[in-house]
Amino acid sequence: GGIITQTPKFLIGQEGQKLTLKCQQNFNHDTMYWYRQDSGKGLRLIYYSITENDLQKGDLSEGYDASREKKSSFSLTVTSAQKNEMAVFLCASSPLGGSSYEQYFGPGTRLTVL
Amino acid sequence: GQQVQQSPASLVLQEGENAELQCNFSSTATQLQWFYQSPGGSLVSLLSNPSGTKHTGRLTSTTVTKERRSSLHISSSQTTDSGTYLCAWGNNNAPRFGAGTKLSVKP
Repeated sequence: GGIITQTPKFLIGQEGQKLTLKCQQNFNHDTMYWYRQDSGKGLRLIYYSITENDLQKGDLSEGYDASREKKSSFSLTVTSAQKNEMAVFLCASSPLGGSSYEQYFGPGTRLTVL
Repeated sequence: GQQVQQSPASLVLQEGENAELQCNFSSTATQLQWFYQSPGGSLVSLLSNPSGTKHTGRLTSTTVTKERRSSLHISSSQTTDSGTYLCAWGNNNAPRFGAGTKLSVKP
């Protein structure tokens, strides 16, 4: 088995601040994802990386940057935190190819902006 | 527009009743997966079903690809089934998620 670790678990920032969220996986999966989930809503795709040297924008990439440092790690940066913003950021990984996504999710980082 | 629509938005059942959850997507999917999100927030995959019918335990999913819809049937619901059920859809790219169906099963 494997595990996805997200750090930090809770993140409190100030308006305008640049904030970085980290994700590590030991499944040896090729593909990694970042999603944002607002309270009571579904997941929205921010960025994903199909393989180690790839980076793809999702539906919600504006206001974010991402970096695939190596196969096992994928970081997300909030470039300028918005006042009163509250959301959970979920990282996931999956093997490349196949007929199913087989996505595995981390526990999430809960962001609060004061 | 919304690529994945789920219905109902919420559902309340008595323990033992069956649940039927629906997922409609904007175009033919090559990948379709159902996930469960616990009240605490953790997400786990239930089953992958891009076409046809699949069973696992008390869960049955039926996907009719040409009609762009998938259903998840939960039989003999239990209080531990309470949570949010999410449908994820895609075509050889990163999956998009619906808003989910929040299920509450009362004892």
